[in-house]
Amino acid sequence: DGGITQSPKYLFRKEGQNVTLSCEQNLNHDAMYWYRQDPGQGLRLIYYSQIVNDFQKGDIAEGYSVSREKKESFPLTVTSAQKNPTAFYLCASSNVKFNYGYTFGSGTRLTVV
Amino acid sequence: RKEVEQDPGPFNVPEGATVAFNCTYSNSASQSFFWYRQDCRKEPKLLMSVYSSGNEDGRFTAQLNRASQYISLLIRDSKLSDSATYLCVVIYTGGFKTIFGAGTRLFVKA
Repeated sequence: DGGITQSPKYLFRKEGQNVTLSCEQNLNHDAMYWYRQDPGQGLRLIYYSQIVNDFQKGDIAEGYSVSREKKESFPLTVTSAQKNPTAFYLCASSNVKFNYGYTFGSGTRLTVV
Repeated sequence: RKEVEQDPGPFNVPEGATVAFNCTYSNSASQSFFWYRQDCRKEPKLLMSVYSSGNEDGRFTAQLNRASQYISLLIRDSKLSDSATYLCVVIYTGGFKTIFGAGTRLFVKA
């Protein structure tokens, strides 16, 4: 079955560390996205990518970086510059041409220890 | 004013009740509309697309009013398993600007 896979499910980061969250999809979707969700709040866009080797900043890109070397993969790095990284991170993909909405991965819960 | 606004909730309803969620959007260039359901500590999942003609899927009915820039979701005969947060999603022309509402939490009680 096609889908979108995020790993790990839970991640603990020490102060000053960079960590990378994985996102892989086999839906043949062109567009991929990273969102952050804080408790009781809505989703906020971090980065998105429409095609391979291209990506754009979202509303809260500071302290994050991404790459899109393959259509299937869109990893997110949470750098030490992100001062409050504890949150639920969601990766999504979409077929923009047909606009059927987003498919989300199951998320990564990141905690700073 | 937020680009997409939902009822703040939470809604507490008994089993079997009918519950309505409302969502307004501010940008008339909005093109596509969806309702998502998010269970606690899980990812959002697509519930329904929303069309101007209205669409129904079992106990769920979604409606779009472009003139008033308003979408709605109606759940009839609510079940305990309907308890979740319902997110309104608006996608603008071009498909790369998507706004999620903050969500409305629903609690269905026995």
